[in-house]
Amino acid sequence: AQTVTQSQPEMSVQEAETVTLSCTYDTSESDYYLFWYKQPPSRQMILVIRQEAYKQQNATENRFSVNFQKAAKSFSLKISDSQLGDAAMYFCAIQGGSEKLVFGKGTKLTVNP
Amino acid sequence: DTGVSQDPRHKITKRGQNVTFRCDPISEHNRLYWYRQTLGQGPEFLTYFQNEAQLEKSRLLSDRFSAERPKGSFSTLEIQRTEQGDSAMYLCASGGEPPGRLFFGSGTQLSVL
Repeated sequence: AQTVTQSQPEMSVQEAETVTLSCTYDTSESDYYLFWYKQPPSRQMILVIRQEAYKQQNATENRFSVNFQKAAKSFSLKISDSQLGDAAMYFCAIQGGSEKLVFGKGTKLTVNP
Repeated sequence: DTGVSQDPRHKITKRGQNVTFRCDPISEHNRLYWYRQTLGQGPEFLTYFQNEAQLEKSRLLSDRFSAERPKGSFSTLEIQRTEQGDSAMYLCASGGEPPGRLFFGSGTQLSVL
C-alpha cells in the first residue's frame, strides 16, 4: 500500500515571500510519480507540478519547484514570490503500480498581504 | 478543451434514496476517474475507466455504488440506498498523457439527511 503524509495542516506566508510545504511518502513500487495539486475555495483541483521518480532533476514550474529526496522519500514544494492567488489547500499525491493516485490530507496555505 | 463538468453541483437527499451523478470529461481523454473527498481529507480513489472499460475499483466502492461509462464518453456514478456516511464531495477527473496529469471537475457535494 502507498501512503502520503503531510505533516503541516496549515501554513502561512507573507506576499512575495517563499514558503515550503512538506510531504513524505511510502511505496514499494520502483517506478512511480509524485504530484502536488492545488485546491482553491472554488473546489477544482489543479495540477501544480509533477515529478517522475526515476529523474534525479527536481521539477520546476515557474514559481513552483520541488525538492525530491528519493532515499528519504521526501517531496517538498517550494513556492517563491508568493501571491494572494496561491492561497489554497495543497495536496501531495503518489501514483505507482496502478492508475490510482493516493493523496495526503493536505496543507492549507494562507497568503497574507 | 472545455474542462471536466459535473452535474449537479449540490445534491441533498434523504437516507435510503438513490442518487446519480454525471461527469463529462474532456473529450479527447480516454481515462476517467471518480474520487470521494470528505472534510479535512484528501481525495480517495473510487474507480477508474479506460474508455468504456472499468479497470480498477477501490474496496471503498461497496455494492451500493455503481459507475458506468457507456461508449467511453460521459460517466455516471449511482449510489443506492444512501446512508449518512455517504455525505461527501464526489470528484470526477479525466486524463490523457502524461500519466497522472488529471483534470478535475468542480465536484458534486452530496448531503444525506
